[in-house]
Amino acid sequence: EAQVTQNPRYLITVTGKKLTVTCSQNMNHEYMSWYRQDPGLGLRQIYYSMNVEVTDKGDVPEGYKVSRKEKRNFPLILESPSPNQTSLYFCASSGHRDKKLLYGYTFGSGTRLTVV
Amino acid sequence: GESVGLHLPTLSVQEGDNSIINCAYSNSASDYFIWYKQESGKGPQFIIDIRSNMDKRQGQRVTVLLNKTVKHLSLQIAATQPGDSAVYFCAEKKASNTGKLIFGQGTTLQVKP
Repeated sequence: EAQVTQNPRYLITVTGKKLTVTCSQNMNHEYMSWYRQDPGLGLRQIYYSMNVEVTDKGDVPEGYKVSRKEKRNFPLILESPSPNQTSLYFCASSGHRDKKLLYGYTFGSGTRLTVV
Repeated sequence: GESVGLHLPTLSVQEGDNSIINCAYSNSASDYFIWYKQESGKGPQFIIDIRSNMDKRQGQRVTVLLNKTVKHLSLQIAATQPGDSAVYFCAEKKASNTGKLIFGQGTTLQVKP
């Protein structure tokens, strides 16, 4: 089944303890992206990657890191989490249609992160 | 039923009626637009997209209209069904040389049986 898999689904952690949220897709998609969703603020893009070893900042990259060492994986790293990073996080991936790259096509189920 | 811009967060329609959900986007250089549906507790689901060189694109029961003159995007849902109840939001890609997406706040569609 074609899908984007995020882990974990739920995570409660303490301020300052490094964590990684994994994202993996099995569709050979070039484009991958991370978002956070907060009440009243909607979805905001954190980082995106157009292909392996190519990453760029979205609207809210502060406090986050990403890497794209291989096509299928795009982990989100919080080196020193803070309570304001408590949020619902989504990973998404996209491939091509009619030889043109799509964006934000398939989303994962989300990771609910709480930083105390 | 029809929503106006991003300032009417809820649209209530009768089952079987057509729905129109509107979105005002911010950047005249944006070249790609997407509509999403998000049900409670789930991730966003891609509905339909349109590139800036088009004015209209149709899918199954859905049509997206793009008016670049006034920077306005709309999603039309024909014969709205109870399963269409969800939050709908638009996204714009800011320019041709980037993968940066900006999302609207969303409109809650409620379908009355």
